[in-house]
Amino acid sequence: DAGVIQSPRHEVTEMGQEVTLRCKPISGHNSLFWYRQTMMRGLELLIYFNNNVPIDDSGMPEDRFSAKMPNASFSTLKIQPSEPRDSAVYFCASSLIGNRVDGYTFGSGTRLTVV
Amino acid sequence: AQKVTQAQTEISVVEKEDVTLDCVYETRDTTYYLFWYKQPPSGELVFLIRRNSFDEQNEISGRYSWNFQKSTSSFNFTITASQVVDSAVYFCALAEYSGAGSYQLTFGKGTKLSVIP
Repeated sequence: DAGVIQSPRHEVTEMGQEVTLRCKPISGHNSLFWYRQTMMRGLELLIYFNNNVPIDDSGMPEDRFSAKMPNASFSTLKIQPSEPRDSAVYFCASSLIGNRVDGYTFGSGTRLTVV
Repeated sequence: AQKVTQAQTEISVVEKEDVTLDCVYETRDTTYYLFWYKQPPSGELVFLIRRNSFDEQNEISGRYSWNFQKSTSSFNFTITASQVVDSAVYFCALAEYSGAGSYQLTFGKGTKLSVIP
């Protein structure tokens, strides 16, 4: 099991540029979550999907942020245009939600720096 | 109001000391799940334990133990005979049902543990 795979691991971009973060969940998991981690705000839930359908995007900070899950094995988080305050570590996590909740497995994260 | 409160921002202990990390949660659900994660300096989030709301049995795994008390809404984590490798940020998290067959996972702010040799 390769775990949750995120790419890229590091991203440095200039303000105003579009940034796309990618996530491949664990095969068979049916829920996918995007989190953002900053020193000030800790780990914040941005959006999550259940069976590829967005359930709650209330954590998405602004319209500049968008997320998609076109199929069960791939999700993207896009920021357009990016701003310096978007600098953070972005984590993707997946889980199997059914009659019980198993552990949520996190990817290694993408460290985004917007200059 | 915070759903998960980790009152200890930072803790320092000397190697081989025992240390307890506190976690208090808030929920109206009767079915929920509690988690602890470890985030070492390398940055990844490592799953440590999951506990459902109907299982108040304490658990021990090696030097780690967890004390779940529904009466006080607490899920505390104890490391016995701490080691330098235990130095990390530890997060407590709560999963609540959010509809459509989904559970939403909310994290506390984390406790940074430093184990001094």
